[in-house]
Amino acid sequence: SQKIEQNSEALNIQEGKTATLTCNYTNYSPAYLQWYRQDPGRGPVFLLLIRENEKEKRKERLKVTFDTTLKQSLFHITASQPADSATYLCALDLGGGKLIFGQGTELSVKP
Amino acid sequence: NAGVTQTPKFQVLKTGQSMTLQCAQDMNHEYMSWYRQDPGMGLRLIHYSVGAGITDQGEVPNGYNVSRSTTEDFPLRLLSAAPSQTSVYFCASSLRAGPYEQYFGPGTRLTVT
Repeated sequence: SQKIEQNSEALNIQEGKTATLTCNYTNYSPAYLQWYRQDPGRGPVFLLLIRENEKEKRKERLKVTFDTTLKQSLFHITASQPADSATYLCALDLGGGKLIFGQGTELSVKP
Repeated sequence: NAGVTQTPKFQVLKTGQSMTLQCAQDMNHEYMSWYRQDPGMGLRLIHYSVGAGITDQGEVPNGYNVSRSTTEDFPLRLLSAAPSQTSVYFCASSLRAGPYEQYFGPGTRLTVT
């Protein structure tokens, strides 16, 4: 069956450093992959979408890479700030409207 | 635009009771979906709809029913609540199925005792 795995443990980094979050998947070749941010008690908020023919996508301090050979996406936040502390979710499209999510990685940025 | 709205915010049910979680969007989105979120499990897809009159099952559909009679509304029905259905439920919508961002509602926290 299709499986998505994100960093299992919480990520703690110092303000100003780059945070790198990992999303690995098996048994599927998605046409695109999405990343979301979720704050406690709130619904997820869309951040970025990257297609299979795109190696990298950037938006302000965010960068996403998509390696279809390794079946992996990396999500980077450069010059991280305490306000970036949240849970980050990756999601894969299985086709026909089925979108499945990883379990999320909790990021904590310390001042 | 209100975006995606969900009611109620909180609900406590007894085992065996039924209820409907409401979801509405005012963005004229074709695609709508329901997820449940449990600690350490991430978001799991329950049911989804690619347009009015069309619904399909996600990863965890058992115990839940849906219908989509209008573009705007996508209610989720629990026919006979069980403690295993204690969770936070999120509704989401997007322009259509495919590479489009999902807009999520604020969630409904359901406890079944």
